[in-house]
Amino acid sequence: ILNVEQSPQSLHVQEGDSTNFTCSFPSSNFYALHWYRWETAKSPEALFVMTLNGDEKKKGRISATLNTKEGYSYLYIKGSQPEDSATYLCAFQGDSSYKLIFGSGTRLLVRP
Amino acid sequence: EAGVTQFPSHSVIEKGQTVTLRCDPISGHDNLYWYRRVMGKEIKFLLHFVKESKQDESGMPNNRFLAERTGGTYSTLKVQPAELEDSGVYFCASSFRDYRQTDTQYFGPGTRLTVL
Repeated sequence: ILNVEQSPQSLHVQEGDSTNFTCSFPSSNFYALHWYRWETAKSPEALFVMTLNGDEKKKGRISATLNTKEGYSYLYIKGSQPEDSATYLCAFQGDSSYKLIFGSGTRLLVRP
Repeated sequence: EAGVTQFPSHSVIEKGQTVTLRCDPISGHDNLYWYRRVMGKEIKFLLHFVKESKQDESGMPNNRFLAERTGGTYSTLKVQPAELEDSGVYFCASSFRDYRQTDTQYFGPGTRLTVL
């Protein structure tokens, strides 16, 4: 059984704080790691698809890194804003498979 | 460009009834996926279509669930008869080409199913 773990489960920060969270995944048969931002009752929004060890991707104030050898990815948010409040999901994609295996998410709340 | 759309947004039915969920993928996307999130747990894969063919249905929980994708366009997921444990949010996603495994999967807003 493939396990994708995210930590912390939830996070409360003050506006302007920078924050980061972790996604751990199996290091064998790795193909890709996806990050999504999800607000309840809306569509999960794709942030990044990461494939190469050492990859670093950036979108505005959000960036992510990838370590496939040890099986983890970090998502960073610089200068958090209240509109960043959402659940951040990571999903592992194994070799020769299209299906995404999701973690349970990190729920971020940014206080004004 | 329109995103992935799903209908209905909510459905409340009684145990034993039948429900059909619909998904319209992004135009031109060959790949269509169904996922669901049950009882606050993680989102789990149900199945994957490439055009009208089922590529992987390893996540379908049992034979009460039937997915179709007629003509390789929209897809339906029928639950018959519905059980209490089927309650959850059913997501549909689509991605572009069938030979690019790492294409982004674009998700719809989901259908929230409640079985009473």
